[in-house]
Amino acid sequence: AQSVAQPEDQVNVAEGNPLTVKCTYSVSGNPYLFWYVQYPNRGLQFLLKYITGDNLVKGSYGFEAEFNKSQTSFHLKKPSALVSDSALYFCAVRDNTGGFKTIFGAGTRLFVKA
Amino acid sequence: DVKVTQSSRYLVKRTGEKVFLECVQDMDHENMFWYRQDPGLGLRLIYFSYDVKMKEKGDIPEGYSVSREKKERFSLILESASTNQTSMYLCASSSLTGDSQPQHFGDGTRLSIL
Repeated sequence: AQSVAQPEDQVNVAEGNPLTVKCTYSVSGNPYLFWYVQYPNRGLQFLLKYITGDNLVKGSYGFEAEFNKSQTSFHLKKPSALVSDSALYFCAVRDNTGGFKTIFGAGTRLFVKA
Repeated sequence: DVKVTQSSRYLVKRTGEKVFLECVQDMDHENMFWYRQDPGLGLRLIYFSYDVKMKEKGDIPEGYSVSREKKERFSLILESASTNQTSMYLCASSSLTGDSQPQHFGDGTRLSIL
């Protein structure tokens, strides 16, 4: 069965420091991977995706993600965190067996302290 | 920009009532989805639709039904509301073009069943 795991419920980082939000996945075949962000009282917003090609994917708001096939991971990174990055982050994997479903992780809450 | 609009941000209903949640998208997307979001559980798919009058059950369809009479509108119906259906409900849409298209979300409806 396809699945995605976010091992950390919460990540704390100081403003200006690099941040990493972890994600691992389990899929059959080639994965389509996504990161979304959710600010308070809002829906999810798309940040970036990996389909194929370069293992380092760049997205919105200075975020990037590194795809690692051998470790089945797709960690979200940012070189210098901002207080405004504080939000809930979701990793997701697309069902690539011919269906329409996207499977979401449980989410990781990021706190950036000034 | 894609806009997905959910008719209510907050809704309070009573046990046993029939509840309608409405969602409209303005980008002519073929796919539409209803999720519920609960803390620690991420997003769980209730139903999705890939065309007018077409619907598919997601992971937790029990107690819900959907209607898609027009391409831009996807309605979620709680047939007889129960307290365990108190949750945040998110509607999303995506293009049918390829498997790699991200989903676009509305801002959610926070539903309380008393």
